Amino acid sequence: DTAVSQTPKYLVTQMGNDKSIKCEQNLGHDTMYWYKQDSKKFLKIMFSYNNKELIINETVPNRFSPKSPDKAHLNLHINSLELGDSAVYFCASSQVRLTGAYEQYFGPGTRLTVT
Amino acid sequence: ILNVEQSPQSLHVQEGDSTNFTCSFPSSNFYALHWYRWETAKSPEALFVMTLNGDEKKKGRISATLNTKEGYSYLYIKGSQPEDSATYLCAFRTSYGKLTFGQGTILTVHP
Repeated sequence: DTAVSQTPKYLVTQMGNDKSIKCEQNLGHDTMYWYKQDSKKFLKIMFSYNNKELIINETVPNRFSPKSPDKAHLNLHINSLELGDSAVYFCASSQVRLTGAYEQYFGPGTRLTVT
Repeated sequence: ILNVEQSPQSLHVQEGDSTNFTCSFPSSNFYALHWYRWETAKSPEALFVMTLNGDEKKKGRISATLNTKEGYSYLYIKGSQPEDSATYLCAFRTSYGKLTFGQGTILTVHP
């Protein structure tokens, strides 16, 4: 049973194309996230949705658009792909609690290569 | 800009050695400090979440402490095993779920 799953695992595409990465969690969590692992291997937050509402929107080109059809899904659509978009993208989810003591669970990552 | 610093960047130890790493973070606007274990080609695995100054957490041979007033956390591994080899990430959480990650400490345990 995969808790947080992403598809596809690998995505190779050409510059200028539009692509989507899908994320699903079966943990019943109310919050989902997208992270990008940059060239220096840092994980950086891109977006977060809580109950289908956008709550975190970092400085990301507007070619990136997250979509949350329901609490269990958060998809990432990327328009007009550029070489610099090549990276590993991780989805995560959590059940937010007021105490703050909650974990984020990560998916396996999607390696995007733009040629 | 939030800076989360981890040291050392990499560490090589022999099997059976005990080791520790440091994570330093801003001492203001603190909500929680997370530790993750990340093996190559896998997803980060949550180890601990700590929210209170003085928190200590333990999971098997791995433990962590938290000092929010001075902005640091230590992760300890007792009796390192080759299967402990991984990158250990810490992440500082401020506002609603946003994690800011350090660059990680790469641990290699030699048999």
